[in-house]
Amino acid sequence: DQQVKQNSPSLSVQEGRISILNCDYTNSMFDYFLWYKKYPAEGPTFLISISSIKDKNEDGRFTVFLNKSAKHLSLHIVPSQPGDSAVYFCAAYSSLVETSYDKVIFGPGTSLSVIP
Amino acid sequence: DAGVTQSPTHLIKTRGQQVTLRCSPKSGHDTVSWYQQALGQGPQFIFQYYEEEERQRGNFPDRFSGHQFPNYSSELNVNALLLGDSALYLCASSSILTGGAAEAFFGQGTRLTVV
Repeated sequence: DQQVKQNSPSLSVQEGRISILNCDYTNSMFDYFLWYKKYPAEGPTFLISISSIKDKNEDGRFTVFLNKSAKHLSLHIVPSQPGDSAVYFCAAYSSLVETSYDKVIFGPGTSLSVIP
Repeated sequence: DAGVTQSPTHLIKTRGQQVTLRCSPKSGHDTVSWYQQALGQGPQFIFQYYEEEERQRGNFPDRFSGHQFPNYSSELNVNALLLGDSALYLCASSSILTGGAAEAFFGQGTRLTVV
């Protein structure tokens, strides 16, 4: 039972264009969402997060949008750069349920390739 | 400032053996979480340690156990290894004071191969 889904295993985008990575979740108790980026042979690196009280969070070229009613979030990268080529993981957890606090659930990842 | 360090980086074990993986958290962090990442999948939460106690646990059997030391470093032990335990094991550290799981820092992982 996958609670966090990333239905696109891979995505190719031209340099300078927008990259949109999508994520869906099933657990309505999730109230905190994170995106991580992972290069080969390295651990995931935290990118950006959003709490359920917001619907948008922006950090430089990266913006995360949250649609709670649809249980959907997306990461927008504008403009995309070749250095953005990596695997992107969507993750979520619930701070509301004591037995789940900090138990971060990751999606399977989307491999982004930015073509120069 | 050293980030999260894990050792060893690679390990080959035989089915049925036991293995211990080690993690030193980022300076200033007091919480350590362990994840298993199988090929082509996202990291799966194994457990989290804080104040030398297991605070949260994912859906992993008792063969997976851990420990946290007073200096916040941590060990992951896996007994009776199965072929299916072959994976990248990631350690993540964070601080309870700054939000816990949010913005956790990951190590580079230990690649365990069970043959």
